[in-house]
Amino acid sequence: AQKITQTQPGMFVQEKEAVTLDCTYDTSDQSYGLFWYKQPSSGEMIFLIYQGSYDEQNATEGRYSLNFQKARKSANLVISASQLGDSAMYFCAMREDLNDYKLSFGAGTTVTVRA
Amino acid sequence: SAVISQKPSRDICQRGTSLTIQCQVDSQVTMMFWYRQQPGQSLTLIATANQGSEATYESGFVIDKFPISRPNLTFSTLTVSNMSPEDSSIYLCSVTGVFGEAFFGQGTRLTVV
Repeated sequence: AQKITQTQPGMFVQEKEAVTLDCTYDTSDQSYGLFWYKQPSSGEMIFLIYQGSYDEQNATEGRYSLNFQKARKSANLVISASQLGDSAMYFCAMREDLNDYKLSFGAGTTVTVRA
Repeated sequence: SAVISQKPSRDICQRGTSLTIQCQVDSQVTMMFWYRQQPGQSLTLIATANQGSEATYESGFVIDKFPISRPNLTFSTLTVSNMSPEDSSIYLCSVTGVFGEAFFGQGTRLTVV
């Protein structure tokens, strides 16, 4: 079974608007971590934001925020004030066992920002 | 966050040959990870490399195909052996940050012809 599900293969957003990327996860662990990464066409993977399962507040990092709904097992990424440089593939990932550093990645969502 | 240098950044290789990818970290780390990203796909963990012990491979990956070395706490290599076109992928090494997030090298874009 998929541990991380990203249902949006591709999205278009107008420059300066906000965009929400969906991510749902599946785990029976109580302690886990959720992450978002950006992968530009160059291929590098850039860490954006982290949410711990026990964190009561949604994580924010600059223009990135994570809408964490634990009961629904969703961890959506919101990018505010989109810029052309935000055009990239975005991956949601989860670390289930806090004693194990392996990450499971979703299929990714391609974001294209239009001028 | 750690600075991770990976090389080569890209290569085109003949089938049947092998390529060794190097990963250098600017600080000592206990674990290093190797991932594969096939074209248009997500990342899949190949193995975890611990210093002083054999690498731990994920299901579907074997040491004969992907031998890994970890001679010290700042360096690791991944070899892709006896390559076929199906091995064409981006290979990434990573280390773990404070929250368990992965920090990645620049990746090696491998094309097998």
